[in-house]
Amino acid sequence: DQQVKQNSPSLSVQEGRISILNCDYTNSMFDYFLWYKKYPAEGPTFLISISSIKDKNEDGRFTVFLNKSAKHLSLHIVPSQPGDSAVYFCAASGAGNNNDMRFGAGTRLTVKP
Amino acid sequence: KAGVTQTPRYLIKTRGQQVTLSCSPISGHRSVSWYQQTPGQGLQFLFEYFSETQRNKGNFPGRFSGRQFSNSRSEMNVSTLELGDSALYLCASRADRDEQYFGPGTRLTVT
Repeated sequence: DQQVKQNSPSLSVQEGRISILNCDYTNSMFDYFLWYKKYPAEGPTFLISISSIKDKNEDGRFTVFLNKSAKHLSLHIVPSQPGDSAVYFCAASGAGNNNDMRFGAGTRLTVKP
Repeated sequence: KAGVTQTPRYLIKTRGQQVTLSCSPISGHRSVSWYQQTPGQGLQFLFEYFSETQRNKGNFPGRFSGRQFSNSRSEMNVSTLELGDSALYLCASRADRDEQYFGPGTRLTVT
């Protein structure tokens, strides 16, 4: 079952504009959320995370927002750059020792110069 | 620190065969997870090993199995390969509840 969902398989934005990638989850036991970025022929690399005690975490051009009541998180990239073009995966893990990480299907972001 | 390494990087097998993939985690990381990536399906969780014990398991058939050694290196085995097993298999390691660090993956093609 898909406990983490990214409903947009692709997104295209102009360089300099904002990119907003969305993610929904169904399991209320998730308490730690992450975004990964993946280039072709490479493994995913960690981008930014947020714990459920926060509703926003910012790191440079990247900000993740968490809405626990809606079980929704989003990644904002401002300003978008052509080098940001990649597949972005949303991930979530739960509390306790059985904290396996579940990933969404990914959103392919294309930033046009 | 050296990153997560996976061998082999590419593999071609025929239906019915079995395959073993290897993963060496980052030094000091005791958790190793395996994922299958196929187009449109994202990263599907296979299993996680921690200190040589399988701690979590995803929804894959019993043909998919794994193990972890005392040095935290891990292997994944797929028996009786099917065409649908063609995918990128990713291994990731982490220290505790931190973010995972992924290897480059093994691309398996089943013909």
